[in-house]
Amino acid sequence: DAGITQSPRHKVTETGTPVTLRCHQTENHRYMYWYRQDPGHGLRLIHYSYGVKDTDKGEVSDGYSVSRSKTEDFLLTLESATSSQTSVYFCAISESRGTHTGELFFGEGSRLTVL
Amino acid sequence: GQQLNQSPQSMFIQEGEDVSMNCTSSSIFNTWLWYKQDPGEGPVLLIALYKAGELTSNGRLTAQFGITRKDSFLNISASIPSDVGIYFCAGQQNYGGATNKLIFGTGTLLAVQP
Repeated sequence: DAGITQSPRHKVTETGTPVTLRCHQTENHRYMYWYRQDPGHGLRLIHYSYGVKDTDKGEVSDGYSVSRSKTEDFLLTLESATSSQTSVYFCAISESRGTHTGELFFGEGSRLTVL
Repeated sequence: GQQLNQSPQSMFIQEGEDVSMNCTSSSIFNTWLWYKQDPGEGPVLLIALYKAGELTSNGRLTAQFGITRKDSFLNISASIPSDVGIYFCAGQQNYGGATNKLIFGTGTLLAVQP
């Protein structure tokens, strides 16, 4: 299994509070991603990173920010959590070899509930 | 945003039956991939397809990259109880670089009765 750990695995928080989810990898892969999974929507990309301090928005980036200060860590921050951000969040990594960048390795997920 | 239409949404079958599911899009993709998600875990890559018309197998699983590059198919032969899970297709429009984002389908839930 790819070395990806997400923390926390479960969190319950209140509307308006800040939340940070952490993704840590031991594979030295260049690309890191944050997805959210919701019923009926599959997996939707929030933000991704293609190197240290290099990040870009995905399709559902509003209300989220990310940071990558080290190759191994990719942080997802909800500055002021809302109930619509209740979801399961997955971190993923991929190598940068040519055509194989779509071969993602996923973490086990972080379940966030915003009350 | 872009969407991949994945069907069926769910399937309830008997052990030993064959399974077929597909994914279609209005856009062309350069890469098609199939992932499986077990309950409570993250998705795991099953098969990756890189050429139009390509047919690739992984054990009892066979996937095809459609000739039009707008669709892909996954077949599972002789299903077993551990095939239970959600199957996702995913398409990618660019090779490498910074714009290598995947678009995922909405998933097919597979239940297998022993």
